[in-house]
Parts: sequence; C-alpha cells; structure tokens
Amino acid sequence: QKEVEQNSGPLSVPEGAIASLNCTYSDRGSQSFFWYRQYSGKSPELIMSIYSNGDKEDGRFTAQLNKASQYVSLLIRDSQPSDSATYLCAVTVGTYKYIFGTGTRLKVLA
Amino acid sequence: GAGVSQSPSNKVTEKGKDVELRCDPISGHTALYWYRQSLGQGLEFLIYFQGNSAPDKSGLPSDRFSAERTGGSVSTLTIQRTQQEDSAVYLCASSLSAGVSYEQYFGPGTRLTVT
Repeated sequence: QKEVEQNSGPLSVPEGAIASLNCTYSDRGSQSFFWYRQYSGKSPELIMSIYSNGDKEDGRFTAQLNKASQYVSLLIRDSQPSDSATYLCAVTVGTYKYIFGTGTRLKVLA
Repeated sequence: GAGVSQSPSNKVTEKGKDVELRCDPISGHTALYWYRQSLGQGLEFLIYFQGNSAPDKSGLPSDRFSAERTGGSVSTLTIQRTQQEDSAVYLCASSLSAGVSYEQYFGPGTRLTVT
C-alpha cells in the first residue's frame, strides 16, 4: 500500500462547479497535511495546510481532514479554467519527512 | 521577498559526467529539502538539512549522489558518473525549520537530462 494515495484523474468539472479532490494516507501518526498545486512544467505551489480534524477555508479553497478515516480532501468552489493543474497531497511521516502523492489532474472546462 | 532559487534551470549532460545542482533557500529558512520528480511520478525525497547537517540521507538513490550545505544557506546536490535513469526534475524546498508543522516552499527546479 502506498503511503499517500490519490486518484490520478483526470477529474473534469465544468467552470463554476465544485471540484473535490481526495487523498488517503497510511500512517496513523501523520500530523500535518498539505495541498500543493502544480502546473505543467512548473514546481509545486503551496495552497493550504491543515493540522486538525475538520474544515479549513481559504478563499475558494476548503481543506477537510478526518484522521480517523485517514482521509484529507480539497474542495475548490467556483472552479475556473485557471485551476486546471495537478494537485498534490502531502502528508508528514515521523518528525520531519513529507510524503507526496502522485497527484490528481484537474481539468476545468470552460 | 525572494523565494527559493535553483540553478541551472536546465542541464543536459552526457552519461558518465558529474553534475552539480544548486539551491538557494528563502532567507531565514533553516531547513532545506531535496526531492526528485520523474515524469508522471510523485516527489521522491532525497535528503534534508537542518542548518548545515543532514540527519537523513536515506533517500539518496546511490553513493553517486551527495549533497552539502554551507553557512546554513546554499546547498549543492552532486551527482557523479550520471546515468540515464538520473534524468528527472530535481526540486529543492525550504521551510522555517525542520518539523512537521512547517510549510515547505519549492524552488523552480532543475531539469536534468542525461544523454
């Protein structure tokens, strides 16, 4: 079992819709969770971090964490074509290591 | 302020040559991480530094890979006797400190192609 799993996609949503991206992880001791956006040919860009169970909102983005289910998600409201990218989930393991998923490719259709 | 910078942005080298990749972290960030990203793959952890020391080198793929950091700032990743399987994008990230509550910020990466 991979340490961090994401559906590779592509996930296609129409412009203005809500995009829901999911991530599961295997280490119950993981404490911190991050979502990065990566445009083709570019490096990952931090979108949000979340550390405790529940929802965290930042503009059009909402991160959701459920440690009991070992599940973290990212919701993007009012999706725009400029949101089309690969979204990476990162989970901490141990005291300093970050493990990244392989990413979900999102396509927002105009 | 200035973000993480990396150089060169692209490097094409012949198999068997040595290459050096450079990373300049965000000012004040004491932790620095190196990752490798191959086409269609996730980010592979290589090594991290807290200050000038590298407590975990376990991700380095072979003894051809080495890294150092001087002055708690710039880091260089050296690959000796490059092989074609070393072709990838090498990413550097920095954070305020090493630890699970710190956010990592990435540089633009170095695309290495070994011919």
